[in-house]
Amino acid sequence: NAGVTQTPKFQVLKTGQSMTLQCAQDMNHNSMYWYRQDPGMGLRLIYYSASEGTTDKGEVPNGYNVSRLNKREFSLRLESAAPSQTSVYFCASSDDRAPSLYFGAGTRLSVL
Amino acid sequence: GENVEQHPSTLSVQEGDSAVIKCTYSDSASNYFPWYKQELGKRPQLIIDIRSNVGEKKDQRIAVTLNKTAKHFSLHITETQPEDSAVYFCAARAMNRDDKIIFGKGTRLHILP
Repeated sequence: NAGVTQTPKFQVLKTGQSMTLQCAQDMNHNSMYWYRQDPGMGLRLIYYSASEGTTDKGEVPNGYNVSRLNKREFSLRLESAAPSQTSVYFCASSDDRAPSLYFGAGTRLSVL
Repeated sequence: GENVEQHPSTLSVQEGDSAVIKCTYSDSASNYFPWYKQELGKRPQLIIDIRSNVGEKKDQRIAVTLNKTAKHFSLHITETQPEDSAVYFCAARAMNRDDKIIFGKGTRLHILP
């Protein structure tokens, strides 16, 4: 039982490059989330998915797209990376039985 | 949408003293309030949570209080220890409406020897 698994752990991109951050959970949770964490800004919600097949915008969705591929997997895509997207990205999951968030280990992304 | 304010942003207390971190929220539909601890370079982890049908919850040295009328909740850590040094985040969620979980900006707690 691995919990929430994120890949990659680290990534360096050049401005304009694209990439997809992968997230998978094995706890059979309905809801999945993507947050970004910047110094002094806390954890800001990018997108979330309440169930397979649905996605909703969070606080800071611009510049990102998401896909809820199935109940286990929720990916985050940067189509054209910008330096402002340099951050630590956390994926998380939850459901009504366990309403708190279970976080992945994070992806540290630098955009040069 | 929901807005969660957290104070203070930095807190230093002597080892053995108590620490209190306060949060306010704006959405009256919020009914679930978790607190997370994040150590340097690690993921946030739940330390305690409270639902809107109770006013206080305690777990050993940690307690959380909730005032629904005033829309604020607080984390209390007693008999602080060096391992309590970390960043603490409060959050709010309206479980009956959607699955958004919105966080405060965090409090960096330093325990002084």
